[in-house]
Amino acid sequence: EDQVTQSPEALRLQEGESSSLNCSYTVSGLRGLFWYRQDPGKGPEFLFTLYSAGEEKEKERLKATLTKKESFLHITAPKPEDSATYLCAVRSTDSWGKFQFGAGTQVVVTP
Amino acid sequence: DTGVSQNPRHKITKRGQNVTFRCDPISEHNRLYWYRQTLGQGPEFLTYFQNEAQLEKSRLLSDRFSAERPKGSFSTLEIQRTEQGDSAMYLCASSLNLAGGYFGPGTRLTVT
Repeated sequence: EDQVTQSPEALRLQEGESSSLNCSYTVSGLRGLFWYRQDPGKGPEFLFTLYSAGEEKEKERLKATLTKKESFLHITAPKPEDSATYLCAVRSTDSWGKFQFGAGTQVVVTP
Repeated sequence: DTGVSQNPRHKITKRGQNVTFRCDPISEHNRLYWYRQTLGQGPEFLTYFQNEAQLEKSRLLSDRFSAERPKGSFSTLEIQRTEQGDSAMYLCASSLNLAGGYFGPGTRLTVT
């Protein structure tokens, strides 16, 4: 069965202190890795899709990268408004339909 | 494009009652997904549709849960004989084929 593990569970950063979140996955065949941001009490907000190892995507202070076993979400010079839970999900060849989510990394950025 | 909408946003019900939630996807999206999320956890897959066909259901989904997507447009999720363990945020998402899914704001269910 597909598995997605995110680390760390929680991360506290000072404003401007860059860091990376990890998403490790085990799938039979990857058909997409997806990053989302979720604010408390709201639905996840789509950020990126990555399909193949070596691929990178950027949006403002966020950059996502993908290898054959894991993905990283790099947060460069974070601001307090980057505080959120970041979720990683995979779609695999075992189940073309569903997104299998990890538990998320809760990020708090303090001024 | 108004995004994915869900109604109601909040529902409080007594144990044993039936509840129904509605999801309106992004209009051109052919896939629709239902997820459930509890505090501190990632979303848990329930079921998904491609157009009007329900293609996959979670093995964890009891027969008290049923979903429909008539005519491939909006979808409803019904929970019969609710239990306290059903309390959660119910999320709907839609996508165009295998692209990333766009989520709605969710329906928070509280079973008392």
